[in-house]
Amino acid sequence: DTGVSQNPRHKITKRGQNVTFRCDPISEHNRLYWYRQTLGQGPEFLTYFQNEAQLEKSRLLSDRFSAERPKGSFSTLEIQRTEQGDSAMYLCASSPPNRVVSGNTIYFGEGSWLTVV
Amino acid sequence: AQTVTQSQPEMSVQEAETVTLSCTYDTSENNYYLFWYKQPPSRQMILVIRQEAYKQQNATENRFSVNFQKAAKSFSLKISDSQLGDTAMYFCAFMKQVAGTASKLTFGTGTRLQVTL
Repeated sequence: DTGVSQNPRHKITKRGQNVTFRCDPISEHNRLYWYRQTLGQGPEFLTYFQNEAQLEKSRLLSDRFSAERPKGSFSTLEIQRTEQGDSAMYLCASSPPNRVVSGNTIYFGEGSWLTVV
Repeated sequence: AQTVTQSQPEMSVQEAETVTLSCTYDTSENNYYLFWYKQPPSRQMILVIRQEAYKQQNATENRFSVNFQKAAKSFSLKISDSQLGDTAMYFCAFMKQVAGTASKLTFGTGTRLQVTL
C-alpha cells in the first residue's frame, strides 16, 4: 500500500507566478486535506475534501488559493500570483472512510516545498 | 475554536532513557481525539499514537505511551528506552469528532526532541 504522494517535492518560483501542487491520496481514502507548514511551526489547516466535495476552507485560504478534487481521487492546490509570504511546505493528507477502524486517523505525505523569490 | 499548547520547544534525552513531552489543549467539545505525530528531519509526518477522549485507559504503542487527563485537558507523551531514531519534531494534535467521522487536525507548535549518545 503506497502512501500519500505529492508532486513536485520542491518548487522555486518568481513572485507573481502561478504554481500548482498535486496530491494522490492513499487508495480508497475518501477524505483529503491540505495543510501549510512554515519553519518551526506546526501545520495549519487549509482545506478539506470528502470525495469531490470541498467541505471546509480556512480563512488562511485567500482568493489566490484554489483547491480541487474533481473525481474524488487526486487533488490539486493552485496558488495564483505568488507572494514571498506563500513560501512554506504544503502538506497533503488523507484518511479512510469512517467504517474502517482507523477511520479517524490522518496520514500525511512528504510535502511540497515552495520557495517564492 | 480549539487550541493546542506545547510548552517545551526543545528537549534532549540520552539514549535508553525516558522522556516525557507535554501537551495541553483547550476545547468545549466532549467527543474528540488526540494524537501525537512525529516529524523526522526528512519531514514526513508519522502518527505515533492516538487517544479517544471517551476512553479512560491511556493508549500505548510499544515504547510510546500517553498520560491522558481529560479534566485537566492534558495529554503528555512518554517515550521509554529512547533511541537515536526518535530524534524528531513531535506534534500534539486535536481532532473534534463530527458525526462520528474524521475532521481537521489542530496542531501545537511542536517539541524538538534530540536523543544523544
